[in-house]
Amino acid sequence: LAKTTQPISMDSYEGQEVNITCSHNNIATNDYITWYQQFPSQGPRFIIQGYKTKVTNEVASLFIPADRKSSTLSLPRVSLSDTAVYYCLVVPASGGSYIPTFGRGTSLIVHP
Amino acid sequence: DAGVIQSPRHEVTEMGQEVTLRCKPISGHDYLFWYRQTMMRGLELLIYFNNNVPIDDSGMPEDRFSAKMPNASFSTLKIQPSEPRDSAVYFCASSFGFRARQGEAFFGQGTRLTVV
Repeated sequence: LAKTTQPISMDSYEGQEVNITCSHNNIATNDYITWYQQFPSQGPRFIIQGYKTKVTNEVASLFIPADRKSSTLSLPRVSLSDTAVYYCLVVPASGGSYIPTFGRGTSLIVHP
Repeated sequence: DAGVIQSPRHEVTEMGQEVTLRCKPISGHDYLFWYRQTMMRGLELLIYFNNNVPIDDSGMPEDRFSAKMPNASFSTLKIQPSEPRDSAVYFCASSFGFRARQGEAFFGQGTRLTVV
């Protein structure tokens, strides 16, 4: 499994765009990149997944450069309710089912 | 669907007592995971089942921990005897088919266990 590295913590203010970058230098050709969000006192929640270029949904955007050695989760115009821990995972695309394995994640705190 | 349901939400017990945590996965899901989360170790996978069969229990810390899945709609995680170091939030998650293969799992609200 590709090892992921992301900042331990980030701070932002309401209304700002937040970008959390994850590095995964040894990502394999067919691996997918997945992000989870965990609010305090709740279980993690799958928010977005991508393979290359850009993916956008109602929660976030995911930018993946051509070499795929990193990815950036972008949260537009954050609010206090976006305060959470964000986990980056690399998912093998073959070899049976993948068991989500979490690192320490990035703790995002949004200030008023 | 109500999502993954765990009970109890909070459990306080004395050292040495038996603790049983319960989980009802989302209907139709064929994968079930048990995780433990602490400040020190983060989110750790303890065991997972596929079609009610335990597949990998290498994350179970020791023999005091056991997990069962008697049918597709129910699983238990038991700690006997419990110790203060078992204090943590225990999460159950479920998934199915291609979503499991893509790393997407649905988590319950967790059980906060405190062993005094």
